[in-house]
Amino acid sequence: GQNIDQPTEMTATEGAIVQINCTYQTSGFNGLFWYQQHAGEAPTFLSYNVLDGLEEKGRFSSFLSRSKGYSYLLLKELQMKDSASYLCAVEGNTPLVFGKGTRLSVIA
Amino acid sequence: GAVVSQHPSWVICKSGTSVKIECRSLDFQATTMFWYRQFPKQSLMLMATSNEGSKATYEQGVEKDKFLINHASLTLSTLTVTSAHPEDSSFYICSARGYRPPDTQYFGPGTRLTVL
Repeated sequence: GQNIDQPTEMTATEGAIVQINCTYQTSGFNGLFWYQQHAGEAPTFLSYNVLDGLEEKGRFSSFLSRSKGYSYLLLKELQMKDSASYLCAVEGNTPLVFGKGTRLSVIA
Repeated sequence: GAVVSQHPSWVICKSGTSVKIECRSLDFQATTMFWYRQFPKQSLMLMATSNEGSKATYEQGVEKDKFLINHASLTLSTLTVTSAHPEDSSFYICSARGYRPPDTQYFGPGTRLTVL
């Protein structure tokens, strides 16, 4: 079956760095996605990993280890607007399966 | 990035009525569209996958006669909630995927359905 785990909530300070972890077990693997979702809005695409290693895109980076079934999303220079839920999603032999999301609160 | 629109953005209806939600990919051809439902503070739950010109594939537990999906063209999919009841009140989100790499799903803005 499919299982995706990520922490429920995290709090970090403005300007700091935060790492959101995601572990998964899936049937097959075609890629891992990170999405940002603000309350009451649809998710927006942040990053995609299909090979092991780090993908950097501005203040956001995402890492993947397929052998460990592990990924993390790294957010640098946190801003108040980064307060949102961050969803880890994996595509295996089925369409995207989403984790329950990590609610990040950025405080001054 | 790719643009996906949904209409309406919110709807309130009486119990027993049917509601149609449209999902359009505005700047790319969507070979596959997905419909999700999200209850408050919960994750997105996939309801069905539809490919243009073919029948939708429904996830286990989703009634295909209640949630009618039509994917008539490469840019339009519709979800009709038939005989809606209060327990169908939720946030319905569509996503579309085309040929562009990395084969990413792009989400519409969502439709908030409230059934009275």
